[in-house]
Amino acid sequence: AQKVTQAQTEISVVEKEDVTLDCVYETRDTTYYLFWYKQPPSGELVFLIRRNSFDEQNEISGRYSWNFQKSTSSFNFTITASQVVDSAVYFCALPSYNTDKLIFGTGTRLQVFP
Amino acid sequence: EPEVTQTPSHQVTQMGQEVILRCVPISNHLYFYWYRQILGQKVEFLVSFYNNEISEKSEIFDDQFSVERPDGSNFTLKIRSTKLEDSAMYFCASRFEGAMNTEAFFGQGTRLTVV
Repeated sequence: AQKVTQAQTEISVVEKEDVTLDCVYETRDTTYYLFWYKQPPSGELVFLIRRNSFDEQNEISGRYSWNFQKSTSSFNFTITASQVVDSAVYFCALPSYNTDKLIFGTGTRLQVFP
Repeated sequence: EPEVTQTPSHQVTQMGQEVILRCVPISNHLYFYWYRQILGQKVEFLVSFYNNEISEKSEIFDDQFSVERPDGSNFTLKIRSTKLEDSAMYFCASRFEGAMNTEAFFGQGTRLTVV
């Protein structure tokens, strides 16, 4: 069955620290996509990244980077030099088997203190 | 930048009343979804809609729920007789294609409070 596990419920850091959010998944699919979404305090869901299982290269976008390890079924998200505006709940997601609906993890609440 | 728009942002309703949550998906998108998030919990799939019909629905999406695309631009979620446990944030999402090589874009959500 498709499953996404975000074991870290809440993380608190001080501004400028680096922080890594973990995501472990289970899937029956041989090819699949993984997603990260951000939910700031205002409540909307903001798309961050989509990663194809064929591509295991790490991806960097500014202060954000993603480490995809197919061997350990993990898709971790690192924020470098965190800022207060990074404070949000971050969700990892995976499509359900053979459908296009998304299965979300329980989310990790990141609090960045000044 | 095109975006998914939801109205209202917050709705308070009495138990047993009908509510309609509205969404305007991105204009060239073909696949539409409703998800919900009970406060502090994860985001859960409710229903997907394509070509004017439901393509998939979850166990949550019982006979009290319905969806409609009445005019080619709006996409609505109706709850016929609201219950206290329907209180949640409801997200509309749209996608250009159904396959996973395109991401779903979410609206800002409608917070429904049933009292």
